[in-house]
Amino acid sequence: EVQLVESGGGLVQPGGSLRLSCEASGFTFRSYWMSWVRQAPGKGLEWVAHIKQAGSEEYYVDSVKGRFTISRDNAKNSLSLQMDSLRAEDTAVYYCARVGVVHCYYIDVWGKGTTVTVSS
Amino acid sequence: DIQMTQSPSSLSASVGDRVTITCRASQRISTFVNWFQQKPGKAPKLVIYGASSLQSGVPSRFSGSGSGTDFTLTISSLQPEDFATYYCQQTYNIPWTFGQGTKVEIK
Repeated sequence: EVQLVESGGGLVQPGGSLRLSCEASGFTFRSYWMSWVRQAPGKGLEWVAHIKQAGSEEYYVDSVKGRFTISRDNAKNSLSLQMDSLRAEDTAVYYCARVGVVHCYYIDVWGKGTTVTVSS
Repeated sequence: DIQMTQSPSSLSASVGDRVTITCRASQRISTFVNWFQQKPGKAPKLVIYGASSLQSGVPSRFSGSGSGTDFTLTISSLQPEDFATYYCQQTYNIPWTFGQGTKVEIK
């Protein structure tokens, strides 16, 4: 069964750091782009970042550039999101996601999400 | 950034109704559009990719169309399990962006 399981969420003060992890199973992890998508409470979806198969290229939404770092360990089938200088507006459920490609890029597998709350 | 504007933001419909949700991109994006269904407290689920391709396992009552700037998601005969929020997304340019969502409620 194809599965993504996130961990690492929690409560953190503004300006603090948090590292999210995602364990992948059931597919050849190294063959796929991987992404993080977030959803603030009661709001819509926001793409945060993605990383290509070898980890050589990363892309970010402007609001997290310079603060968040996406990385992967293909030997361990794991994806990470290092979040620094956290702000209240980063409060959200963070989803780990697999990116497929046929004619266009699309997110075809989602984890259940991990909740990040930034508050004093 | 490419803006994705969905309409309506919400709709009420009955079981068996035909439902259409539209999404307009702020620039031409070929067919780089995906549609997701999300139920409360759950992760999104891919329904349509590449504007018109049905994701494996998704019922055939769902269909997508469009190219360029205008796209539609149609549910031909609404079922009880289809009541949810639907999002369009473009993956033509970074940053990938989503529409604001359309909540489909029971009439």
